Amino acid sequence: DAGITQSPRHKVTETGTPVTLRCHQTENHRYMYWYRQDPGHGLRLIHYSYGVKDTDKGEVSDGYSVSRSKTEDFLLTLESATSSQTSVYFCAISDDLTTTDAGELFFGEGSRLTVL
Amino acid sequence: QKEVEQDPGPLSVPEGAIVSLNCTYSNSAFQYFMWYRQYSRKGPELLMYTYSSGNKEDGRFTAQVDKSSKYISLFIRDSQPSDSATYLCAMSNGNQFYFGTGTSLTVIP
Repeated sequence: DAGITQSPRHKVTETGTPVTLRCHQTENHRYMYWYRQDPGHGLRLIHYSYGVKDTDKGEVSDGYSVSRSKTEDFLLTLESATSSQTSVYFCAISDDLTTTDAGELFFGEGSRLTVL
Repeated sequence: QKEVEQDPGPLSVPEGAIVSLNCTYSNSAFQYFMWYRQYSRKGPELLMYTYSSGNKEDGRFTAQVDKSSKYISLFIRDSQPSDSATYLCAMSNGNQFYFGTGTSLTVIP
C-alpha cells in the first residue's frame, strides 16, 4: 500500500470555523492532490501540487486553500467552513512520468468532514 | 459532455458470474487507464493499471483498453461476495486524472 496518511479521519465542526486537513506521504512522490467525493458527483479535484510551494486550482477550488512546505505534506484549509463543504476528502499522490510509477494515482483513506 | 462516462448501475450478480464494467471517454490524448475498487467508507484502491491500448490480466481481473473506440472495460471472473464494492474508472494524459462516477456492484452469495 502507498504510504499516505490523512488526518483527522473524522471531524465535525460548525459553520464559519476554520478547518485544516493534513495529508502526509512517505513515497516521495512529486504530485499531491485533494479531492472531494460526494454522491452523484464522484471525485472532484479541489487543488493539487506539483512540487514544494507549487500549487494550482482544480475544478472546485472556491472556499479552499492549500499549502505544501515539504515534499511529504500537503495541507487543505477551509478558511470559513460552510455546510456545502460537508464531504469526504481524499488526498492522492502520483509521481513523475519518468518513474516506474508513471501514471498511477494512489489514494489515502479519506477524511470525513461534517459542517453543522 | 463529460470527459469520462460510466454507467452507475447498480449491478447485482450471483456469485460465480462474470462481471463486465465499462467506461467511455472523449479525450484521445489519454494514455494511462486505471480501475479502482472502493469499499464503503474506504479510499479508492488501485486495482488495475494499463498504459496505452491492450489487455492486462491479474488473477480474476482483466482490464481492456480500446483506444480506437475510446472504451475501457474491466472483467471480473468467478465473482465473489468480497467483490461487492463501487468500481471507478480513471484515465490520464500525464498527471491530470479524470474519473467516472463509479459503478456499484453487489455479488449475491
